[in-house]
Amino acid sequence: EDQVTQSPEALRLQEGESSSLNCSYTVSGLRGLFWYRQDPGKGPEFLFTLYSAGEEKEKERLKATLTKKESFLHITAPKPEDSATYLCAVQGPRYSSASKIIFGSGTRLSIRP
Amino acid sequence: NAGVTQTPKFQVLKTGQSMTLQCAQDMNHEYMSWYRQDPGMGLRLIHYSVGAGITDQGEVPNGYNVSRSTTEDFPLRLLSAAPSQTSVYFCATTVREGLGEQYFGPGTRLTVT
Repeated sequence: EDQVTQSPEALRLQEGESSSLNCSYTVSGLRGLFWYRQDPGKGPEFLFTLYSAGEEKEKERLKATLTKKESFLHITAPKPEDSATYLCAVQGPRYSSASKIIFGSGTRLSIRP
Repeated sequence: NAGVTQTPKFQVLKTGQSMTLQCAQDMNHEYMSWYRQDPGMGLRLIHYSVGAGITDQGEVPNGYNVSRSTTEDFPLRLLSAAPSQTSVYFCATTVREGLGEQYFGPGTRLTVT
């Protein structure tokens, strides 16, 4: 069964303390892996798309990487405004049962000043 | 340019009542979808549409109907509300199917008593 598992469920960091969030997936023929940020009471906001193992994308203090089984969202020297829930999603091959986008349950990140 | 709008923002229904959640987009995107978000379960796809006149079921379609008569609008109808449908509902759009960069609306928080 196609699955997306994110860990940890929650992470509390001190401002400036770098860390990584994990997204492990099981889907054959990955078409894309996506990272979103969600603030409380709002809809998810798109961050990155990764298509193949070895690919990396960066945006400000965030860097997303992809292997054949998992993706990491690295947060370097985070600030309190980086506090949010980070969602990972995957999409399998077109016209397969996994063609629809499957979301993980998210990692709730809290950055203390 | 409003992006993706959803109405209402909050709604309380009694068991057995019906209602329609509205979603509109002004980005001329072909692909629109409805998700529900429940604590600890991530976003789950209810129904989606790849263009006007075309709809299909997602992961959790039971108890919901959709139609897509125009590119801009994609309403979600609850036929006979049940407490299990208490959730936050998000509408999302993307330029076309297969692209993971989805734009989400602000959500509708629905409570069924």
